[in-house]
Amino acid sequence: QKEVEQNSGPLSVPEGAIASLNCTYSDRGSQSFFWYRQYSGKSPELIMSIYSNGDKEDGRFTAQLNKASQYVSLLIRDSQPSDSATYLCAVKNTGGFKTIFGAGTRLFVKA
Amino acid sequence: EAQVTQNPRYLITVTGKKLTVTCSQNMNHEYMSWYRQDPGLGLRQIYYSMNVEVTDKGDVPEGYKVSRKEKRNFPLILESPSPNQTSLYFCASSSAPSGGAYNEQFFGPGTRLTVL
Repeated sequence: QKEVEQNSGPLSVPEGAIASLNCTYSDRGSQSFFWYRQYSGKSPELIMSIYSNGDKEDGRFTAQLNKASQYVSLLIRDSQPSDSATYLCAVKNTGGFKTIFGAGTRLFVKA
Repeated sequence: EAQVTQNPRYLITVTGKKLTVTCSQNMNHEYMSWYRQDPGLGLRQIYYSMNVEVTDKGDVPEGYKVSRKEKRNFPLILESPSPNQTSLYFCASSSAPSGGAYNEQFFGPGTRLTVL
C-alpha cells in the first residue's frame, strides 16, 4: 500500500463546475496536510494546507480533512481552464521532517 | 525576492561522470530537501536537512550524497550517475517544522537530468 494515494486521473470537468480531488494516507500519526498545484514543466506551488479535522476555505478552494478516515480532499469551485494542472497531495509525517507526496491527479477544465 | 535557485536547469551527462546540482535559498530557512519526480511516481524525497551539518535519508537515497555546510546551500551530488537517475530534480526549503505547523515548502525551478 502506498503511503499517500491519489487517483491519477485525468479528471475532466467543465468550466464553472466543482472539481473534487481526493487523497488517502496510511500514517495515522500524520500531522500536516498540503495540496500543491503543478503546471506542466513547472515546480509545485502550495494551494492549501490543513492541520485540523474539518473544512478550510480559501477563495475558490476548500480543503477537507478527516483524520479518523485518513482522508483529505480538495474542492475547487467555479473551475477555470487555468486550474488545469496536476494536483499533488502531501503529508508530513509524525515528527514533521519527512514529507510524502502522492503521485498526483491531473485535472482538465474544459472551456 | 524570496526564492530557491537550482543550477544547472538542464544537464545531459554520461554514466559514471560525477556531477553536482546546486541549490540555494535566500529565506534563511532551516529545512531543505531534495526530491526526484518521475512519471507516475510523483515526488520522492531523496535527502533532507534539518539544519547546518544535519542531514538524513529520505525514501530514495541510494546513489546520492548531500552536504549542508552553510544554511543557504544544499548541493546534491551524484558520484557515479547511472541511467536510472535520469529524472526531474527539485530542491525545496521551509522554516523549521514545529509540532504540527504547516511549514510550506518552497520549491526551486527544477533540474532535468539525463544520464546516457
